[in-house]
Amino acid sequence: QSALTQPASVSGSPGQSITISCTGTSSDVGTYNLVSWYQQHPGKAPKLMIYDVSKRPSGISNRFSGSKSGNTASLTISGLQAEDEADYYCCSYARSNTWVFGGGTKLTVL
Amino acid sequence: EVQLVESGGGLVQPGGSLRLSCEASGFTFTNYAMSWVRQAPGKGLEWVSSISGSGVTTYYADSVKGRFTISRDNSKNTVFLRMNTLRAEDTAVYYCANGNDAFDIWGQGTMVTVSS
Repeated sequence: QSALTQPASVSGSPGQSITISCTGTSSDVGTYNLVSWYQQHPGKAPKLMIYDVSKRPSGISNRFSGSKSGNTASLTISGLQAEDEADYYCCSYARSNTWVFGGGTKLTVL
Repeated sequence: EVQLVESGGGLVQPGGSLRLSCEASGFTFTNYAMSWVRQAPGKGLEWVSSISGSGVTTYYADSVKGRFTISRDNSKNTVFLRMNTLRAEDTAVYYCANGNDAFDIWGQGTMVTVSS
């Protein structure tokens, strides 16, 4: 159950687009389309932003999109806004009915 | 409104036990698996355990297997996490979450501190 690999930090200016990568293995991201992404503001509970690789829950802006290629999933945020500044975590279903999270990425909006 | 409210956290000595509860409302409880996810201070998220909607099947992270037990009472829309033989490294905010293919809705979390 090794954690998925995410960059520690990314940054972008308002209006720009950024992409956060999430690299796993053939035991998790590479095999299952059960990749999800969570946004967490300081002191708050995580919030589901993307599920099943690329689906958005009701109420989530279409500025957020997800994709996957091989063992790597990605979250793209377009039209960056100040309120997007937060920590982002990816998560994947893994073999043996377990789940594994990434280490988290701190997004800074410059 | 879908809501999850955790309780039961606190300060416990190493080797001690604690039982967390998570009361759900606003959705059909038995339709959803329930999970516990924890976050150590200043660290990332770690999946701990999940239980199916019926309560028949349970799953655990290796780090807690044999020490923690997840259960649910579908008549009370509540999921529990019994934590035994607690260690310092179990110190974290414990969140409950619902969802079958992801962790859809999260509670506000309850803090567990393991220290002498």
